[in-house]
Amino acid sequence: EIVLTQSPATLSLSPGERATLSCRASQSVSSYLAWYQQKPGQAPRLLIYDASSRATGIPARFSGSGSGTDFTLTISSLEPEDFAVYYCQQRSSWPRTFGQGTRLQIK
Amino acid sequence: EVQLVESGGSLVQPGGSLRLSCAASGFTFSTYSMSWVRQAPGKGLEWVSSISGSGGSTYYADSVKGRFTISRDNSKSTLYLQMSSLRAEDTAVYYCAVGVSHGKYRDNWGQGTLVTVSS
Repeated sequence: EIVLTQSPATLSLSPGERATLSCRASQSVSSYLAWYQQKPGQAPRLLIYDASSRATGIPARFSGSGSGTDFTLTISSLEPEDFAVYYCQQRSSWPRTFGQGTRLQIK
Repeated sequence: EVQLVESGGSLVQPGGSLRLSCAASGFTFSTYSMSWVRQAPGKGLEWVSSISGSGGSTYYADSVKGRFTISRDNSKSTLYLQMSSLRAEDTAVYYCAVGVSHGKYRDNWGQGTLVTVSS
């Protein structure tokens, strides 16, 4: 099973700042990695797929990078609606696995 | 518009059984693989199971293997999760999800249905 480790667990920033979230895989997942955003009481929302492709309707301030075992989600300038929990997920192999999440909170 | 509506969640005793359903619309159901993902209260996301469009291939997390069965009825555009030998740690919101527009990445999710396993 591929273990995804996200860091930091919690990130405290202010609107307008840049956020950098990390996801590290226990073995290579090539580029088969997605990022999801989840707000309280809501289902997850796909942000990034194939490590760096933005999903339909996702603002350009969200970007993903990386391949192999190290991945990054960057939010260039935080908007109030970006404060949420972010998960990475791999679809390189079974079982599919999620990271434990990074909570992005307002400072 | 893609819609996924889960149902069947309830309070069940440890050791009991439950069947969840996910009614799909807005896309050609039989063409797409489907998944169940769960989230325990206050915890992160956990992939549970996936099934191919034809239903011929199924996959399970180790935590549910042998206890849960995923299936689908393409004539009814409905996904199922039969859960048995339920444990307290199965308590969670269960989401069904499908990837329609972004390869096999799950870009459409239902609103979830709550399963509570408690005596």
